[in-house]
Amino acid sequence: EDQVTQSPEALRLQEGESSSLNCSYTVSGLRGLFWYRQDPGKGPEFLFTLYSAGEEKEKERLKATLTKKESFLHITAPKPEDSATYLCAVQVLTNFGNEKLTFGTGTRLTIIP
Amino acid sequence: DAGVTQSPTHLIKTRGQHVTLRCSPISGHKSVSWYQQVLGQGPQFIFQYYEKEERGRGNFPDRFSARQFPNYSSELNVNALLLGDSALYLCASTLRGSGNTIYFGEGSWLTVV
Repeated sequence: EDQVTQSPEALRLQEGESSSLNCSYTVSGLRGLFWYRQDPGKGPEFLFTLYSAGEEKEKERLKATLTKKESFLHITAPKPEDSATYLCAVQVLTNFGNEKLTFGTGTRLTIIP
Repeated sequence: DAGVTQSPTHLIKTRGQHVTLRCSPISGHKSVSWYQQVLGQGPQFIFQYYEKEERGRGNFPDRFSARQFPNYSSELNVNALLLGDSALYLCASTLRGSGNTIYFGEGSWLTVV
């Protein structure tokens, strides 16, 4: 069974204090690893998709990396507006073309001004 | 361009009732998926439809059903509502095929009392 574990569950940082969020996964065959940002009461907002070990993608203060067992979301010099829950999900394509995402429980990030 | 749109945004139902949730995918997207997100958890896969055919089903009881229409919009139906069905129901759309970004709507908040 596909499993995704995110850590830490919650993280409080001072504005400007860089850190990393972790997503470890166990799947039978990874097609893609997705990162989303979710604000309270809203739907997930797409950030990145990573497809192979060694791949990196950046967007503003965020950088996502991928290894064969885990992914990191690095946040550099965060601002209060970066406060949100960050969700990691894996996609495994099945024989029937099912493209379901299996999500972790998320990391709730709070940036203190 | 409009994103994934869902309706209604909020609704309250009584145990035993039936509910229908609606989703319009991004223009040009033919694949629609449904997810359930309970407070404090990551989204869980319910169904995927592509070209009006079911392509995947998650571990949900038969009380949950869905369909996709010729215009690629979709409905999620839940019968005999239970208190535990209270959640945020998310619709996602994609162009189809691994490598395509999966976009989520803002969700429908269902409260069962």
